[in-house]
Amino acid sequence: DAGVIQSPRHEVTEMGQEVTLRCKPISGHNSLFWYRQTMMRGLELLIYFNNNVPIDDSGMPEDRFSAKMPNASFSTLKIQPSEPRDSAVYFCASSLSAYSGNEQFFGPGTRLTVL
Amino acid sequence: GDSVTQMEGPVTLSEEAFLTINCTYTATGYPSLFWYVQYPGEGLQLLLKATKADDKGSNKGFEATYRKETTSFHLEKGSVQVSDSAVYFCALSYSNYQLIWGAGTKLIIKP
Repeated sequence: DAGVIQSPRHEVTEMGQEVTLRCKPISGHNSLFWYRQTMMRGLELLIYFNNNVPIDDSGMPEDRFSAKMPNASFSTLKIQPSEPRDSAVYFCASSLSAYSGNEQFFGPGTRLTVL
Repeated sequence: GDSVTQMEGPVTLSEEAFLTINCTYTATGYPSLFWYVQYPGEGLQLLLKATKADDKGSNKGFEATYRKETTSFHLEKGSVQVSDSAVYFCALSYSNYQLIWGAGTKLIIKP
């Protein structure tokens, strides 16, 4: 089992550019989460999908952020246009089920730097 | 609202020392409690969990007991190794998808 796969691992871009982060969850998992981690704000849940359907996007900072899950094995998080304050590590996580007691498996993260 | 408070880091110990990382929580119900660990350059991974009061979670020599009376879930290890250097996150969850995270405690173990 390869675990949760994220790409790219590092992304450096200039302000105003579009950024797309990619995630492949563990096969058979039906819940997918996107998190953002910064020193100032810690770990924040951005959006949660269940069976490919967005259930809670209340953590998405603003309209510049969007996420999709076209099928059970792929999800994207897009930032357009990017700003320096978006610089962070973005994690994707998946779980068998979202309910209490179920482990979330995290990918290695994408470190985004917006200049 | 519900919250998790962890001791501030970094915590610096010598190899083979005893470790305690404090975690307390505020909750309106009876959540499940978790410790996740993040090694440098990696994502978080579950270390241990407890789903009800007085349960003890354990893994890789780490232990934590769910204490309802003190609303605590302190992480302990009897003898730490350099390889335990990481950031440790305490979290709680109810019967939904939300994990409420502590701020994380960085642990540094010196040889």
